[in-house]
Amino acid sequence: AQKVTQAQTEISVVEKEDVTLDCVYETRDTTYYLFWYKQPPSGELVFLIRRNSFDEQNEISGRYSWNFQKSTSSFNFTITASQVVDSAVYFCALSEPNNNDMRFGAGTRLTVKP
Amino acid sequence: NAGVTQTPKFQVLKTGQSMTLQCAQDMNHEYMSWYRQDPGMGLRLIHYSVGAGITDQGEVPNGYNVSRSTTEDFPLRLLSAAPSQTSVYFCASSYTATRIVPGELFFGEGSRLTVL
Repeated sequence: AQKVTQAQTEISVVEKEDVTLDCVYETRDTTYYLFWYKQPPSGELVFLIRRNSFDEQNEISGRYSWNFQKSTSSFNFTITASQVVDSAVYFCALSEPNNNDMRFGAGTRLTVKP
Repeated sequence: NAGVTQTPKFQVLKTGQSMTLQCAQDMNHEYMSWYRQDPGMGLRLIHYSVGAGITDQGEVPNGYNVSRSTTEDFPLRLLSAAPSQTSVYFCASSYTATRIVPGELFFGEGSRLTVL
């Protein structure tokens, strides 16, 4: 069965620090998809990235980067030079082909202090 | 473009009452789903639909009912509310019906339900 673990419940950093959010997943499938979503204090959920299991290249988008390592079943998310607006709950999620249950981790609450 | 619209945003119910959470999307997405969000548990799938007339159960379906008569609408019914159903509910849609390649989910703003 698919499972996503975000061991960090809460992280607090000071603005401009780099921060990494960990995500470890379990799946029996060789083909699967990983996602990150952001939930700011306003409550809506916003899609950040999707990565398939055959693409292990790291992805960078501005201050955001993602490190996918199949060997350790991890899909970690790094924010460089954090800003107050990055304060949010971040969810990692896993989806398998033909499986309609996108499984979410418990989320990591990130607080960036000025 | 409204995206995914949920109503109501807040609701207080007494144990045993029934109610319907409404969800509508204007993106012509075939896939729609309902999640509940509870502290420390992330989002858990309640029910989903891959198209009009087709629904199926997710991880936590008990106490909830859904129907999909049109592509746009996917209401969630609480049959007899219980305090354990106090939660924040999110409706989501996606452009991928078959889920062979799962698309990202587009979420509504959420509905906070309290059952006394």
